[in-house]
Amino acid sequence: DAGVIQSPRHEVTEMGQEVTLRCKPISGHNSLFWYRQTMMRGLELLIYFNNNVPIDDSGMPEDRFSAKMPNASFSTLKIQPSEPRDSAVYFCASSSSGAETQYFGPGTRLLVL
Amino acid sequence: QKEVEQNSGPLSVPEGAIASLNCTYSDRGSQSFFWYRQYSGKSPELIMFIYSNGDKEDGRFTAQLNKASQYVSLLIRDSQPSDSATYLCAVKPPGGGNKLTFGTGTQLKVEL
Repeated sequence: DAGVIQSPRHEVTEMGQEVTLRCKPISGHNSLFWYRQTMMRGLELLIYFNNNVPIDDSGMPEDRFSAKMPNASFSTLKIQPSEPRDSAVYFCASSSSGAETQYFGPGTRLLVL
Repeated sequence: QKEVEQNSGPLSVPEGAIASLNCTYSDRGSQSFFWYRQYSGKSPELIMFIYSNGDKEDGRFTAQLNKASQYVSLLIRDSQPSDSATYLCAVKPPGGGNKLTFGTGTQLKVEL
C-alpha cells in the first residue's frame, strides 16, 4: 500500500504569494496531522483532523494559515500571504483510529524568498 | 520550560557501544511516550512507544520510563553506523486525543 503522499516535494516562492500544500493519507486512516519542522523550533503540530473534522488547530500560527479536509483522502494546508519565516519542512501524517503509530509523508520543503 | 526537552547533541558513540538518549517532559499527567527516528532529509518513523513505568524492549532498542521523575530514555545496544540519525521524543498529553508534542531531537553519530 502506498504511504502518505505529499505534493509538491519542494516549493520556492516569493513573499506575499499563496502557497498550497497537499496531502493524501494512507487509505483507511481516519486521523490526519499537519506538522512544521524547523531547526529552531523542531517538529510542531499545526492542526489535526479526525474523520475529516478539525479537532485541534491551536498550533496554527496565525490567520495566514488555513487547512481543509474535504474528504477522507485529501487535505490541504494553505498559507496566504506567505512570509520568509514560513520557510520550513511541512509534514503530513496519518493514523488509524485507536492506533498509536503516526505515519509521516516525505514532507514539503518550502522556501519563501 | 519546554514541554518536552532533549539534549540536541551530537551524541557520539563507537560502533558496538550502547547509546543512551534521554528526554524529560513537563506535564505530569502525560500517559504515552514515543521515540521516533529521523534520518537526515527524511521523515520521522516510529521506533517504539511505552506507557508503563519500567523497561520495554524491542530488538536492540529499550525504552525506559520513570513517571515520578518525568523521564523517558531510549537505549540502543550494539550501535551501528546505520543508527546515526536524529531521535525525537514525543509525548501524548493528558486529555485524550491523538496530539503529540515533540522534543527538538538528539543527533546520534555512531562512529566506526
